[in-house]
Amino acid sequence: EAQVTQNPRYLITVTGKKLTVTCSQNMNHEYMSWYRQDPGLGLRQIYYSMNVEVTDKGDVPEGYKVSRKEKRNFPLILESPSPNQTSLYFCASFGRSSYNEQFFGPGTRLTVL
Amino acid sequence: QQPVQSPQAVILREGEDAVINCSSSKALYSVHWYRQKHGEAPVFLMILLKGGEQKGHDKISASFNEKKQQSSLYLTASQLSYSGTYFCGTEMNLMSANRDDKIIFGKGTRLHILP
Repeated sequence: EAQVTQNPRYLITVTGKKLTVTCSQNMNHEYMSWYRQDPGLGLRQIYYSMNVEVTDKGDVPEGYKVSRKEKRNFPLILESPSPNQTSLYFCASFGRSSYNEQFFGPGTRLTVL
Repeated sequence: QQPVQSPQAVILREGEDAVINCSSSKALYSVHWYRQKHGEAPVFLMILLKGGEQKGHDKISASFNEKKQQSSLYLTASQLSYSGTYFCGTEMNLMSANRDDKIIFGKGTRLHILP
């Protein structure tokens, strides 16, 4: 089954404690991205990746890091989380060559205390 | 850069029609439409790639006016299952006519269908 998986689905942490949210897709998609969703603000792109070892900032990259060492994985790293990073996070992917739909992962709800 | 969606919210009775608009200040390569149910991930509805293109499936269709940098989503004879938040995502057209590869989403339009 074609899918994007994210882990963990829910996470409560404290300010300053480094964390990683994993994202994996099984569709051999070149393009992957991370969004955060906050009430009234829609989906805002954090980082995106066009292919392995190629990443670029989205609209709200401050406080986040990403890496794309393998095509299927695109982890989101928060080196020193702060309460304003409390949000719902979505990973997404699509295959550029076929102009297909963008598949979203199930989301990760992060609370930073 | 974020596309502007209108209206912000719509309440309809089952069977009524709705139109959701999405406009951009930049030249567009494509427009994507998604629907998100509460507590779930957004789900793809359709992508429009060419200016003037219209697409549809079932009673949901969309148009893309490249010159006006606008897209509209049409929901005909709405059903209860259409309730949710609709997002348009836009991909800009670069000077070289290549796609930008960044999909920027609007703030969403909340649609509530009453029985």
